[in-house]
Amino acid sequence: QKEVEQNSGPLSVPEGAIASLNCTYSDRGSQSFFWYRQYSGKSPELIMSIYSNGDKEDGRFTAQLNKASQYVSLLIRDSQPSDSATYLCAVREGKTSYDKVIFGPGTSLSVIP
Amino acid sequence: DAGVTQSPTHLIKTRGQHVTLRCSPISGHKSVSWYQQVLGQGPQFIFQYYEKEERGRGNFPDRFSARQFPNYSSEPNVNALLLGDSALYLCASSLAPADQGTTDTQYFGPGTRLTVL
Repeated sequence: QKEVEQNSGPLSVPEGAIASLNCTYSDRGSQSFFWYRQYSGKSPELIMSIYSNGDKEDGRFTAQLNKASQYVSLLIRDSQPSDSATYLCAVREGKTSYDKVIFGPGTSLSVIP
Repeated sequence: DAGVTQSPTHLIKTRGQHVTLRCSPISGHKSVSWYQQVLGQGPQFIFQYYEKEERGRGNFPDRFSARQFPNYSSEPNVNALLLGDSALYLCASSLAPADQGTTDTQYFGPGTRLTVL
């Protein structure tokens, strides 16, 4: 059973701090990794995708991928109360569009003003 | 451009009934995937449709089925509803290019909240 694991949290950080969200996955053949943000009662919203080892930055968000360690993380700099949400890590099993995307259970983030 | 649309927003059914949900993908997207999300958990993959065919299926019983139409919209059906089918049902669309599977990205609709009494 291929799995995606995340710390369920809740993770609490003060406003302005860096929030670090972690995710591990079991399928070594995975090539595509995604972070989604989900506010309570809403649907997931794509934050970032990453496909190559290393860092990818987009504004206050940085995704980090280490395929050898089967580890992907999301850093949120200068955290704001509006960042309070559940963050979902998602991994595509294979290399084609038809390979299913598996989601982790999500990490709940609370940014304290 | 409009994003992924789903209807209805909310639905209440009783055990044993059946339900049909609806999803229209982003214009130009050819693939529609469906997910079930129970409160406190991540979305669980139900199935994916591309070119009117089921391309993948998660660990869900045959009570769950779907169709995809020539305009790439999709309608899943759930028969003989159980209390445990109460969840948020999410539709996600993607371009599904044949030669760029690695970068293919899913975008979600607002979801349909199904309550089974």
